[in-house]
Amino acid sequence: GENVEQHPSTLSVQEGDSAVIKCTYSDSASNYFPWYKQELGKRPQLIIDIRSNVGEKKDQRIAVTLNKTAKHFSLHITETQPEDSAVYFCAASKNTGNQFYFGTGTSLTVIP
Amino acid sequence: EAQVTQNPRYLITVTGKKLTVTCSQNMNHEYMSWYRQDPGLGLRQIYYSMNVEVTDKGDVPEGYKVSRKEKRNFPLILESPSPNQTSLYFCASRFWGTTDTQYFGPGTRLTVL
Repeated sequence: GENVEQHPSTLSVQEGDSAVIKCTYSDSASNYFPWYKQELGKRPQLIIDIRSNVGEKKDQRIAVTLNKTAKHFSLHITETQPEDSAVYFCAASKNTGNQFYFGTGTSLTVIP
Repeated sequence: EAQVTQNPRYLITVTGKKLTVTCSQNMNHEYMSWYRQDPGLGLRQIYYSMNVEVTDKGDVPEGYKVSRKEKRNFPLILESPSPNQTSLYFCASRFWGTTDTQYFGPGTRLTVL
């Protein structure tokens, strides 16, 4: 099956700085890569996703990049704010997305 | 309001006592799935269902059963719970055949003593 690795496990940044979280995957057939944000005590929520036919996608302060050759994808958050503090999960899926494989999560702390 | 609901939200039980965690969605989604979340392990998929009467194993199905008799409901059954099934469980749903947003339920925190 697929193996998704996520780094770092914890990340602290100063408010206004950028944060980058990286994930690698093992199955070259994976073609859908969502990112979820989970605030303390809450459910995971999709914040951005990318499909394998696209190299980069942006949504305001959030961007995701995908390198299919190297089998890695990254989440970039610019101008971080305290409300960005949460655990972020990457995931990989293939075909119609019946099975999802998640990374182990990154706990992001934005220091005011 | 479009939502995924789970019950109960919290449950403490003892080893071997059968239990069911219910999941219901009102978005007419074909696809539903169960995950467990454990510290340092992220979310791991237990079972998923592509439609009524169609279910399949995820990554960690041992010790769990599911059924999908109605489109809106996807209960998770633990026939003989053990302490290693102590975890936070999430149900999720989405339209099948697309790789679009999964909507997660609020979670069920299960403790097996």
